[in-house]
Amino acid sequence: GQQLNQSPQSMFIQEGEDVSMNCTSSSIFNTWLWYKQDPGEGPVLLIALYKAGELTSNGRLTAQFGITRKDSFLNISASIPSDVGIYFCAGRNTGTASKLTFGTGTRLQVTL
Amino acid sequence: NAGVTQTPKFQVLKTGQSMTLQCAQDMNHNSMYWYRQDPGMGLRLIYYSASEGTTDKGEVPNGYNVSRLNKREFSLRLESAAPSQTSVYFCASRRVGDSYEQYFGPGTRLTVT
Repeated sequence: GQQLNQSPQSMFIQEGEDVSMNCTSSSIFNTWLWYKQDPGEGPVLLIALYKAGELTSNGRLTAQFGITRKDSFLNISASIPSDVGIYFCAGRNTGTASKLTFGTGTRLQVTL
Repeated sequence: NAGVTQTPKFQVLKTGQSMTLQCAQDMNHNSMYWYRQDPGMGLRLIYYSASEGTTDKGEVPNGYNVSRLNKREFSLRLESAAPSQTSVYFCASRRVGDSYEQYFGPGTRLTVT
């Protein structure tokens, strides 16, 4: 099946730092979604992207739909302790109906 | 508006036992999904229902069955549980149209001994 590679797998940062993570695919996607999962909870949708080159913000979070349509990026500015969690990308391409393919996640830990 | 709800939150089964995981959504969404989450594997689709009355296999359907009871409810059944089915199970739903955004429930943590 399709695979989405997320990097980094995990990262430790200090409060106030900016964070960048990315997701790459072996095939072209038409939709990219970014989710955050807190321990013991279900994933929560952060940002949805539908057009190549699109840049969308949600508070301190900014995500981009790569122009090759094979990648997406998520940036978090001025991180705070509640940013801790696992961030997942998910993509959809034509021919897969409404199904999404998920990445394996980036685990973010923020130190004071 | 509770969104997507799942029951139970936790469950321990012995090998060979059966059980049904329940999922309900109150957002009037047409499509519903069942995923399992294992360490280092991300979320993998078990089954999905594009609309009431239809169900289709996902990436890892073996050992599971589903029922789309009505527009609100989508259940997942393990007929004979195996240790390999120890996992966290998530239900999700999606509204129709061009949006492919899925909204998740809080999960069921299942252990099979």
